[in-house]
Amino acid sequence: QQQVKQSPQSLIVQKGGISIINCAYENTAFDYFPWYQQFPGKGPALLIAIRPDVSEKKEGRFTISFNKSAKQFSLHIMDSQPGDSATYFCAATTETGANNLFFGTGTRLTVIP
Amino acid sequence: NAGVMQNPRHLVRRRGQEARLRCSPMKGHSHVYWYRQLPEEGLKFMVYLQKENIIDESGMPKERFSAEFPKEGPSILRIQQVVRGDSAAYFCASSHFRDSLYNEQFFGPGTRLTVL
Repeated sequence: QQQVKQSPQSLIVQKGGISIINCAYENTAFDYFPWYQQFPGKGPALLIAIRPDVSEKKEGRFTISFNKSAKQFSLHIMDSQPGDSATYFCAATTETGANNLFFGTGTRLTVIP
Repeated sequence: NAGVMQNPRHLVRRRGQEARLRCSPMKGHSHVYWYRQLPEEGLKFMVYLQKENIIDESGMPKERFSAEFPKEGPSILRIQQVVRGDSAAYFCASSHFRDSLYNEQFFGPGTRLTVL
């Protein structure tokens, strides 16, 4: 079964707008939540990650919001740029385990000029 | 410092043939993970290896799939008697020795397997 659910499947945003991607998980043992960015023909690259002891983490234009009680987390991309157009995956893992990542199904973001 | 290298980048096989996918981890990395990405889906974990050891193969299909990470040389994902359903992108990731809770996994560019 899909351990991490992600929405929307695709997203179109105007340049300068805010892109929001949402994820939800069931396994309360997950304690590390990274987001990956993937361009066509490339492997995923780590964008930003959060642990559940904080509710928000910001790096530049990228922010993760985390709601432990709801078992949800989201990625916000502020001032979205055409260069941000890519597929974004949320993921989850247990730090004390094997660290294998459980990925969401991905969101294809298109930022139009 | 070269990143994770995978070859071939594209592989075409006919049903029943064998596919061998190779992964060279980043320099200094001793942990390798294999993931499979079906079209329009996220990556799914297959196997986690350290040098000469399989640590977790809970995501590997029970038959036809095997993986190794020898003392010398790249990690190999081997698929015997391929079927059309094996067509996917296979990604390898590597990470450093576990000196902290989580070590970032660096992904290679993937091998796109097409089974005719």
